[in-house]
Amino acid sequence: DAKTTQPTSMDCAEGRAANLPCNHSTISGNEYVYWYRQIHSQGPQYIIHGLKNNETNEMASLIITEDRKSSTLILPHATLRDTAVYYCIVRVDYSGAGSYQLTFGKGTKLSVIP
Amino acid sequence: DVKVTQSSRYLVKRTGEKVFLECVQDMDHENMFWYRQDPGLGLRLIYFSYDVKMKEKGDIPEGYSVSREKKERFSLILESASTNQTSMYLCASTQRGINSPLHFGNGTRLTVT
Repeated sequence: DAKTTQPTSMDCAEGRAANLPCNHSTISGNEYVYWYRQIHSQGPQYIIHGLKNNETNEMASLIITEDRKSSTLILPHATLRDTAVYYCIVRVDYSGAGSYQLTFGKGTKLSVIP
Repeated sequence: DVKVTQSSRYLVKRTGEKVFLECVQDMDHENMFWYRQDPGLGLRLIYFSYDVKMKEKGDIPEGYSVSREKKERFSLILESASTNQTSMYLCASTQRGINSPLHFGNGTRLTVT
């Protein structure tokens, strides 16, 4: 499966947009890009995912480049509660049964600063 | 709302004990997963299951086994707990298909003394 590269840490001022980049240069045609976040001592929380087109939901927006080799997660108005580790992962279907394997990297630690 | 429940938030066990970690999901998901999370190592997949009684090894299956007798329940078993199995264990589930997100429980922090 494709690997991802993310910055180790980032800071963002409260109320500003947080833009978290991810490189996935070896992504293949059937692999989705997923974003999760993990707040300290909790399980990872699903945020958003996409294949080719940009996506938006109530939590965030996902911008995927045309060649699909990188993407950016955008939190439009970051709050202190958005402080977490953010994981960008890609996913591939390994079998006809629909089973697959997700590989989590080390993620980006986002600190939202008052 | 999606719910994945892990039976214990914290567990302390002794070396050599047999340990059962239980996970239940209420979403009728076909796929279930067990990960462990350690500082500096991220999340690592131990085992997963794509159907009742089916299981597949992940990246680090050694020292673990799993059981899936019912669709909603996926158990992780440490046959003989060791101190290097002290970790945060996370269960997750998802529907079949490549367009379905993974949903995680809140984890079990296991300490083996």
